[in-house]
Amino acid sequence: KAGVTQTPRYLIKTRGQQVTLSCSPISGHRSVSWYQQTPGQGLQFLFEYFSETQRNKGNFPGRFSGRQFSNSRSEMNVSTLELGDSALYLCASSWGDRGKGETQYFGPGTRLLVL
Amino acid sequence: EDQVTQSPEALRLQEGESSSLNCSYTVSGLRGLFWYRQDPGKGPEFLFTLYSAGEEKEKERLKATLTKKESFLHITAPKPEDSATYLCAVQGRSGYSTLTFGKGTMLLVSP
Repeated sequence: KAGVTQTPRYLIKTRGQQVTLSCSPISGHRSVSWYQQTPGQGLQFLFEYFSETQRNKGNFPGRFSGRQFSNSRSEMNVSTLELGDSALYLCASSWGDRGKGETQYFGPGTRLLVL
Repeated sequence: EDQVTQSPEALRLQEGESSSLNCSYTVSGLRGLFWYRQDPGKGPEFLFTLYSAGEEKEKERLKATLTKKESFLHITAPKPEDSATYLCAVQGRSGYSTLTFGKGTMLLVSP
C-alpha cells in the first residue's frame, strides 16, 4: 500500500511570495492533517480536513490556509511568506474515526526555505 | 490544553547499553498516546499506539509502556541504526485526529 506522498519535496521562495504544497493520503484515508516542524517549536498542528471540511485548526495566522478535494487529496497555501515560515511542512493521513485513538501516518515532508 | 514533555532532550548511548526515554503528558481524555521515530530530513515513522494505563507494546529492541501520567520507551541493547529522534504525541477527546507532540529525544548510539 502506498504511503503518504507530498510534493514538492523542496522549495525556495522569497519574502512576500505565496506557496502551495500538496499531499496525497493513503488510499481510503479521509482525514488529512498538516503540521509545521521547526527546530525551536517542534511539531505544531496547523489544521485538519475531513471529507472536504476543515474540522480543526491550530493557532496560526490566516496566511495559512488549506483545502481538501473529493478524492481526499489536500493542499495547503501560505500567502505573503515571512522568513519565519521556513520549516518542514508535514502532512499526515488517517481514517478520520473519532472513537479510539487513531494513528496518523506521515509523509516525507516539504522543506520550505524563505529568503 | 494538552501538553507533552519529553526527557531527556538528548541521549548518547554505547551500543548494547539499555536505557529509557520519558514522555510526561496532560490531556483532556486520552484517546491514544503515540510514539514515532524521525530520521533527519524525513517524516515521522510510526512505532506504537497505547490506549490505556498498563498497556505495553514491543517491537524488536523497543518496548513502550503507559501509565496515567507518563509513557516510557525502553530501548534494549541498542544498535547504531537506532539513532534517531523519538517523538511522543497524545490525542485527546477534544481535538478530532489532532496530535500534540513533545519536542522529542535525540538518541545517538555509538558503536
